[in-house]
Amino acid sequence: QITLKESGPTLVKPTQTLTLTCTFSGFSLTTNKVGVGWIRQPPGKALECLAFIYWNDDKRYTPSLKSRLTITKDTSKNEVVLTMTNMDPMDTATYYCAHLLIGYKFDIWGQGTMVTVAS
Amino acid sequence: QSALTQPASVSGSPGQSITISCTGTANDIGTYNLVSWYQQHPGKAPKLIIYEVTQRPSGISNRFSGSRSGNTASLTISGLQAEDEANYYCCSYAGSSVTFGGGTKVTVL
Repeated sequence: QITLKESGPTLVKPTQTLTLTCTFSGFSLTTNKVGVGWIRQPPGKALECLAFIYWNDDKRYTPSLKSRLTITKDTSKNEVVLTMTNMDPMDTATYYCAHLLIGYKFDIWGQGTMVTVAS
Repeated sequence: QSALTQPASVSGSPGQSITISCTGTANDIGTYNLVSWYQQHPGKAPKLIIYEVTQRPSGISNRFSGSRSGNTASLTISGLQAEDEANYYCCSYAGSSVTFGGGTKVTVL
């Protein structure tokens, strides 16, 4: 059974860097054609894919946020870490990580973690 | 890459069929057979219901079906049920990453 869980701060100040960790079980990021992605959702708004990383360390970022994002994986810990620099109140959102299969389908999602950006 | 365009809301009575459109461009939906659809109930994580335009994951009801014509993808829900009331998001590969639609709220009257 595949599960994913997001962890990180619930409150960050403007201009700070956000670090989120996705801890997963039931699969390995050394397996072909498997990846993990980060998707966010501001309150009452739509989903936005931020970044994803594949088993072969192929990394993709949404173009509008690419300069602020870094995604990495630690296969020994079954973790994927997302960092986002220069946080702004508009980055307030629920951040989800999800299991990604070839074909760009997020088939299993974590429960999400709410991050508020405020001074 | 721009967000895909979906109607803000669609409604139908129990038993009816409804269709949600998702309009993109030749750079996403029009080129790639990599459109997926997600259902999200309030306060819950999204759930994959359609992938690669027409495919259903195991366990998803066959009342959900997907299609594509040109730069527009569509999700049809047949035999509408109360439990189908939720937000629905389309998603397409766009050449480097993926882009989501703005979401459609489905109301069962």
